[in-house]
Amino acid sequence: GAVVSQHPSRVICKSGTSVKIECRSLDFQATTMFWYRQFPKQSLMLMATSNEGSKATYEQGVEKDKFLINHASLTLSTLTVTSAHPEDSSFYICSAISGILGGEQYFGPGTRLTVT
Amino acid sequence: GQNIDQPTEMTATEGAIVQINCTYQTSGFNGLFWYQQHAGEAPTFLSYNVLDGLEEKGRFSSFLSRSKGYSYLLLKELQMKDSASYLCAVRERNTDKLIFGTGTRLQVFP
Repeated sequence: GAVVSQHPSRVICKSGTSVKIECRSLDFQATTMFWYRQFPKQSLMLMATSNEGSKATYEQGVEKDKFLINHASLTLSTLTVTSAHPEDSSFYICSAISGILGGEQYFGPGTRLTVT
Repeated sequence: GQNIDQPTEMTATEGAIVQINCTYQTSGFNGLFWYQQHAGEAPTFLSYNVLDGLEEKGRFSSFLSRSKGYSYLLLKELQMKDSASYLCAVRERNTDKLIFGTGTRLQVFP
């Protein structure tokens, strides 16, 4: 099956700094990638949809200036958490689909962000 | 609007059968997914229903009724390793977004 990787798997940063998380599709071209956030004991919340070569579409309530998304190529999307605060500590998961609409979503292994 | 509901927690005994229900209301429907998620890990795909009826995959089966906005995941011959969260997710038509339910934490006891 298709593989999606995320880097880093864990990151600890100080409050006020920025953190970049990478999401890569390893063996297919991802026309669309999604970014999710998951707080402890809660379900996945969609943050934004990332399309290659265009601006990301953010869900209601997600600050686009705080969570910068760049889908630079068909195999890479990045999420940058700017000026991170402790409340941004969460599990961030990306997923990718290939080709036409209706394709299966493949999930990355997730990135655990801790802001101290 | 979108609303997907699941029970928050369930418990069951090893070897038993458990049914996890999911009800949904979405503006556009293009399939329903079930995922399993162990703590600290990403979700793993279990099943997909787009037409009404039952899909069986080994110990796991999933049912869908589009007219009722209802699905269930049936787990048979429960094993301890089945202790996990089970997420119901509806795919939106035209966007491919997956909207996740609240998730059900299942604990299997010996």
